[in-house]
Order: sequence, then C-alpha cells, then structure tokens
Amino acid sequence: EPEVTQTPSHQVTQMGQEVILRCVPISNHLYFYWYRQILGQKVEFLVSFYNNEISEKSEIFDDQFSVERPDGSNFTLKIRSTKLEDSAMYFCASSELEGAYEKLFFGSGTQLSVL
Amino acid sequence: DAKTTQPPSMDCAEGRAANLPCNHSTISGNEYVYWYRQIHSQGPQYIIHGLKNNETNEMASLIITEDRKSSTLILPHATLRDTAVYYCIVRSNDYKLSFGAGTTVTVRA
Repeated sequence: EPEVTQTPSHQVTQMGQEVILRCVPISNHLYFYWYRQILGQKVEFLVSFYNNEISEKSEIFDDQFSVERPDGSNFTLKIRSTKLEDSAMYFCASSELEGAYEKLFFGSGTQLSVL
Repeated sequence: DAKTTQPPSMDCAEGRAANLPCNHSTISGNEYVYWYRQIHSQGPQYIIHGLKNNETNEMASLIITEDRKSSTLILPHATLRDTAVYYCIVRSNDYKLSFGAGTTVTVRA
C-alpha cells in the first residue's frame, strides 16, 4: 500500500533555530496536512494545503510556521525560530478526495525536540 | 463539526470482538462518521467511515443507528496489535479532521 514518508524521524534543535520537516505525500494525492501531538495530548490540526496554497490553518500556525511544496513531490513544514513549546511529534498527511468523503493517510511522524 | 463522546478506556480479551461506542447526537445530514486509530507513537490510521448504512471492510465493521446519533465500531477478533487509541470523528468535507481524546483500547492475552 502506498504511504506517506516523513524525514527525519527525530530532530533535535536549539531554541531559536530554524527547522524544516519534510514529507513525501502519496503521489496522486492533492490535499496535504500537518498535524502535531505534544506528548500525552491530542493530535492537533496545524494547516491544510491544496493547489499550492493554504486552505485552512489553526491558531497554532502563527507567523513562525510556513509550508511549501517546493518541487511537486515534497511537502515541508518550516518553523522559523523554534520555541521549547514546539517540541512535539509532527505528522504529515495527504488525501485524495474520493466522492463525498475524504480518507487521510498519515506518515509515521517526526519527533521534534527543542532544547 | 459535531461533537462526539467516547468512553476513555476499555479492555478486550484477545480473540473476542471489541465493540467501541460513540455518541454523536448533534450530527447533521451531510456529516460522515469516521474512525481512526493511533497505535503508540505512530501516525493515525484510517479504519472505516459511514454516512447512514452499516459498513464493513477488512479491518472492522461500523454500525450506525437509524437516527445517526450514535455508532459502534466492531473489531471482530481483537489481537494484541489492535491495542491503540480509537478516535470517532464526525465531519463534513468542509472542515478539517479534528481528533478528540478517543478511547484507549487495551487487548489482553
């Protein structure tokens, strides 16, 4: 079965540094998402992306965050200046709307640790 | 999106059916019921979805009541690998998929 691939699986960074989390969505999918999960908490929506632009974003997705689909296969999440509270597991997801419902496929995540 | 209510946890014996309830009394006509699960530290995994009719696939069965105010996910023969957090989510395609706290299912040998 096709899968969403995320790299790296673990990222350690110093507070204030920029990080880029990378995702390769399933090849024929058109809709892309980032979610995050702080340890012990719920999976939280960050942003959705379609047709090369953000379609929806949450309050968490402030000016420190950005997303990009640089080359038609990768989908990246950039955090410009990381904070301690950005430490979390970040999940990328993609979907191809099928009729009236949508099935999201999630990657295995990138564990970000901000020191 | 309609709010859902799930029990926080439940245990199930290996090899037995696991029946996971979900209440969604404020569901509206164009909203689907989705079930996802998250095995420890992994990304959420789609299980099944439905609108009005009962559904079955290779992973599970979904029973939706006639008034659509509640549903039950059935894992027919639970295995240890089914231990996970199970999320019942109600949404229309106009809105993002939002995860609640889910039900932590522990399958015991």
